[in-house]
Amino acid sequence: IVLTQSPATLSVSPGERVTLSCRASQSVRSDLAWYQQRPGQAPRLLISGASTRATGVPARFSGSGSGTEFTLTISSLQSEDFALYYCQQYTLWPSFGPGTKVDSK
Amino acid sequence: QVSLKESGPALVKPTQTLTLTCTFSGFSLRTGGTCVSWIRQPPGRALEWLAYIDWADNKYYNTSLNSRLTISKDAAETQVVFTMTDMVPEDTATYYCARTYMSTPYFDSWGQGTPVTVSS
Repeated sequence: IVLTQSPATLSVSPGERVTLSCRASQSVRSDLAWYQQRPGQAPRLLISGASTRATGVPARFSGSGSGTEFTLTISSLQSEDFALYYCQQYTLWPSFGPGTKVDSK
Repeated sequence: QVSLKESGPALVKPTQTLTLTCTFSGFSLRTGGTCVSWIRQPPGRALEWLAYIDWADNKYYNTSLNSRLTISKDAAETQVVFTMTDMVPEDTATYYCARTYMSTPYFDSWGQGTPVTVSS
């Protein structure tokens, strides 16, 4: 299953609402996770099951979607949220999207 | 507290075999459903799942690399060993181990990663 993410890069300012998209080449039901990767760090699980926040993840992060279209929303971007964001499906063998970079405008 | 840490060589030569070890704590690989995975990330590129081993010693591999990969766990089940044969420069990447569960194979805890360069 191929995942595509858009946009590739998003330039935003703190406080803005951010919406990231992930599209699957075939239905993955709700078997989709989102990760955040800061420079020089390992990925961190944010969302599983398309919409369930992982332990300790701030409420400003939310996930939605099912089937082939998914969205990660950051309601009010904080400075520590500038990072790469990856989606991953686990309906079949795990695969990741190419990522979206959220950087400072 | 769940913790995973990768160890192994930073540099391997082309054609050599890479062997990496994941040492973990805070969970048991004897617990039903629990798995440990290996994932890699070439510089500036996306993540790629490589393999995982489950609590029952079943092993699962990325089909595109299947013939080159081996995953195993030690007798104490506190370490998972990963090998990749016939290394080429394109295998240069940071290699991560991570915990996952068979029923829902996303990765909820990750090691810090270990960078591996393939060069003569």
